[in-house]
Amino acid sequence: NAGVTQTPKFQVLKTGQSMTLQCAQDMNHEYMSWYRQDPGMGLRLIHYSVGAGITDQGEVPNGYNVSRSTTEDFPLRLLSAAPSQTSVYFCASSYSNRDRTYEQYFGPGTRLTVT
Amino acid sequence: KQEVTQIPAALSVPEGENLVLNCSFTDSAIYNLQWFRQDPGKGLTSLLLIQSSQREQTSGRLNASLDKSSGRSTLYIAASQPGDSATYLCAVKSYQKVTFGIGTKLQVIP
Repeated sequence: NAGVTQTPKFQVLKTGQSMTLQCAQDMNHEYMSWYRQDPGMGLRLIHYSVGAGITDQGEVPNGYNVSRSTTEDFPLRLLSAAPSQTSVYFCASSYSNRDRTYEQYFGPGTRLTVT
Repeated sequence: KQEVTQIPAALSVPEGENLVLNCSFTDSAIYNLQWFRQDPGKGLTSLLLIQSSQREQTSGRLNASLDKSSGRSTLYIAASQPGDSATYLCAVKSYQKVTFGIGTKLQVIP
């Protein structure tokens, strides 16, 4: 298994540009999430999904859109990039079973700079 | 609203020392608590997950405990090594949401 993969690893955008951060997992996990990590603030939840076709907002959803058309993929779209969106973005997936309920697996991250 | 606090924010110890990292949370209605390790510029690696019904979990030199009623968890690292240097994060899962602490940055000096 490749686990959770994210592309690109690095990205520089100009203010107002849009882009999509890709996330995929090959573990058949039903839950997927997007976080951003900023110095001194920890990881904050942007959006999450509990299954294909179902998404919901997290703590900091403004300026971001998501969709979940398949179990494997959970892309994050920046609609109009702003300098405040400069951050490291992590995608995570998790599953539930009797022994390891909701254990989270993280991707390597995308480092985004908005100028 | 769940809040997760990790103390200390940074810790420097000589190699071989045993150490304890602390995590506290404000809402005891949790599903589980997970400890992660993060190396600089890297993603998060899961170390231990404790279900809400459990008191502790062990993996090698690591032992994590959970006291849900007092809102506390500790991560015990035995015989620390320079390779243990990293930032350690705890994360608490409540209904539909995971809340992270800011982390403890650990440096183990050879």
